[in-house]
Order: sequence, then structure tokens, then C-alpha cells
Amino acid sequence: DAGITQSPRHKVTETGTPVTLRCHQTENHRYMYWYRQDPGHGLRLIHYSYGVKDTDKGEVSDGYSVSRSKTEDFLLTLESATSSQTSVYFCAIRSTGTGNAGANVLTFGAGSRLTVL
Amino acid sequence: GDSVTQMEGPVTLSEEAFLTINCTYTATGYPSLFWYVQYPGEGLQLLLKATKADDKGSNKGFEATYRKETTSFHLEKGSVQVSDSAVYFCALSSGNKLVFGAGTILRVKS
Repeated sequence: DAGITQSPRHKVTETGTPVTLRCHQTENHRYMYWYRQDPGHGLRLIHYSYGVKDTDKGEVSDGYSVSRSKTEDFLLTLESATSSQTSVYFCAIRSTGTGNAGANVLTFGAGSRLTVL
Repeated sequence: GDSVTQMEGPVTLSEEAFLTINCTYTATGYPSLFWYVQYPGEGLQLLLKATKADDKGSNKGFEATYRKETTSFHLEKGSVQVSDSAVYFCALSSGNKLVFGAGTILRVKS
């Protein structure tokens, strides 16, 4: 197992409240990602990180912020949750095999299901 | 930007039937291509990958060949089982990220 855990696994919250999802890895990988999964859209990248304090936006970053203060933790924050942010959120880490063996292979966490009422 | 298009599902097959799930892509350069599988209630798992043209990825009886001329990476399996019921995602590497298709639900009936 790649050693990646997400918390909480399930959360129900109300519109306008802040929410933070946590991704924790034990593998010391440099790259970490947050995706959201919605029917008909597959997985869409929200933000990713390529090192401590180094982050970049993905295709659906509006309404989300991230932080990476240490290698093992990557936090996703919804400052003021909206119903459109009801989704399943997946964290992933990128393997770093030699040559092409591990290039760009992502290992995913089990997901965090967020419902915004 | 880079993108992946998969055939829409759900795909419903009887056990031991032949499976094809179509995937085409648009990309600059020569991306690596992937198939991921998601079983109910779980995260995505890598099923197979191919890193250059004409490479064939294979795993658990599934195969896909990287076809640069048709920009395709179709997933095939000769004889599906009920346990193959899942959502299948085609993806490509785009810089340091993966771009995913919308996913195809596969249902296999006994």
C-alpha cells in the first residue's frame, strides 16, 4: 500500500461554512494532487503541489485553496462551501520510478465524500 | 489543452463476453497513456500504462495499445468476469499532471 490517507472520509456541512480536507502520505513523495470526481466529468484537477510551500492551480481551482507546510501533508480548504462543491475529493501522490517505469503514475487515496447542504 | 474522450457508458456485458472501451486523446507532444479502474467505494487504481507509440500495456487480462496514428488507447479484455464491474478511466500525462476522461461504467452480468 502506498501509505496515503484522507480525512475525513465523509462530511456534511452547510453552505457558507469553511471546510478543510487533509491528505497524509508516508512515502515522502514530492508531488501531491487534489482532484474532484463528479458524474460525467471524470476526475478534474483542483490544485497540486510539487514541494513544501510550492503549489499550482488546476483546471477547477476557483473556490479552493491549498497548503503544504510539510512534505507529508497536503490540505485542501473550501473557504466558504457552496452546493456546487458537493463532490468526492481524491488526493493522489506521484510515484517516482526509474526511467519511465514510475513516471507520472499516480496513487490515489480512498476519497473524501463532501456534501454541502 | 490536452484532453481525453472515452466512450459513454454504462456498458453492460454478460460474463465471458469480449470488452472494448474506446479512448482517444488530444495532446501536444507524446504523452504517456493510462487506464485506471475504480471499484465501488474505492479510489482509483492503475490498471495499465504505455509510455510510447506502439507500446502495449497489459494487466489482469486487460490490454491497450498506444496508437499514435489514430491517437487512441482502447482497452480490451477477451473474457470479462463479474468481478470486472467497475468504472474505467483513460488518462494521459500532461506535464506534471494527469488528465482524465469522464470514465466508463462497466457492468458484467452472470
